[in-house]
Amino acid sequence: NAGVMQNPRHLVRRRGQEARLRCSPMKGHSHVYWYRQLPEEGLKFMVYLQKENIIDESGMPKERFSAEFPKEGPSILRIQQVVRGDSAAYFCASSPLLLDEQYFGPGTRLTVT
Amino acid sequence: KNEVEQSPQNLTAQEGEFITINCSYSVGISALHWLQQHPGGGIVSLFMLSSGKKKHGRLIATINIQEKHSSLHITASHPRDSAVYICAVPNYGQNFVFGPGTRLSVLP
Repeated sequence: NAGVMQNPRHLVRRRGQEARLRCSPMKGHSHVYWYRQLPEEGLKFMVYLQKENIIDESGMPKERFSAEFPKEGPSILRIQQVVRGDSAAYFCASSPLLLDEQYFGPGTRLTVT
Repeated sequence: KNEVEQSPQNLTAQEGEFITINCSYSVGISALHWLQQHPGGGIVSLFMLSSGKKKHGRLIATINIQEKHSSLHITASHPRDSAVYICAVPNYGQNFVFGPGTRLSVLP
């Protein structure tokens, strides 16, 4: 059973470009969480999704950020018109049930130049 | 919002020492999550516990729901235990809020 997969592992974007981060949860997990970790800071919740539904996006900036978890395929975190302040590690985690033990992906390290 | 505190913030130990990391939170919860973040950045789930004590190898986690406090103990610490240890608690039932982490360095 493969773990949580994220790609790409490293992503470099110039200011103003779009970044797309992908997360494939563990098999059998329908709950996906996205977290952001700024350099030298702790993990911060961004968004919680179940298949085809956004359940809680209270941690996600209102502009430029969006997330989806379609019926087929990975969950995607999309950042439009990236700025330098978006440079961070973005982690995805999945769980079989709400607020159950979470399994983390390796993260995507986004660098905006 | 559930506020989570951890102590100590940083901890340096000699190999073989017994280590305790503490986590306290402000709002009652159903379960608490301990995570380990490796120096390379990867995050591993250590424990999810809702009462009492859990043990896995040299790691022991305890929780006191009434006192809103949990501890993570490492027995016979080893340099490979060097990492950031993070506790996380549910925040109004929909997501997790994380503590600031405890950075542990175990010296040989």
